[in-house]
Amino acid sequence: EAEVAQSPRYKITEKSQAVAFWCDPISGHATLYWYRQILGQGPELLVQFQDESVVDDSQLPKDRFSAERLKGVDSTLKIQPAELGDSAMYLCASSFLGVRLNTEAFFGQGTRLTVV
Amino acid sequence: AQSVTQLDSQVPVFEEAPVELRCNYSSSVSVYLFWYVQYPNQGLQLLLKYLSGSTLVESINGFEAEFNKSQTSFHLRKPSVHISDTAEYFCAVMASGYSTLTFGKGTMLLVSP
Repeated sequence: EAEVAQSPRYKITEKSQAVAFWCDPISGHATLYWYRQILGQGPELLVQFQDESVVDDSQLPKDRFSAERLKGVDSTLKIQPAELGDSAMYLCASSFLGVRLNTEAFFGQGTRLTVV
Repeated sequence: AQSVTQLDSQVPVFEEAPVELRCNYSSSVSVYLFWYVQYPNQGLQLLLKYLSGSTLVESINGFEAEFNKSQTSFHLRKPSVHISDTAEYFCAVMASGYSTLTFGKGTMLLVSP
């Protein structure tokens, strides 16, 4: 069964270090999302791609976060430098062409980041 | 902008009892509504969705939700829960014409024997 792949599953990093997460969406899915889920909260959108273009990054803290999807397939989310408040689950999701009628967003298992 | 309020952060219930998880939303435009389930250290799985048509939607594992436009609600119900239903449940909305989901803070369903 096709699924969204994310790596690593868990990451511990020291504050002020750089960290990167990788996501491989379901084959053929044009839309890719990165969400951040702080413990005890619902996921919040960080960035949305349509193919290789950014559709919405209004909630991405651009002073330290960056995201790319160079070939419109897999994507990398980077944090530099990491801060204690960045500790969260980072979820990647993909959908065929946005979340519209008869399509849905499929989520990966997430990357649990702990900043110490 | 849209917002979602899940009124209960935690709902404890005994096995085989009925349960209702409440969800209210706010939006100035038409919305689509979703319920997702998340097991510990896992991603989110779609449980059910309301897009149009019948206001009562059902999942394959016995959950149902009813869209109530006048009450701006989309409560999730199950007549008889199992231990395996223990998980966190998220209500989400998507504004018509857009393609991003806005989530509530989640409700932890705790089913005990």
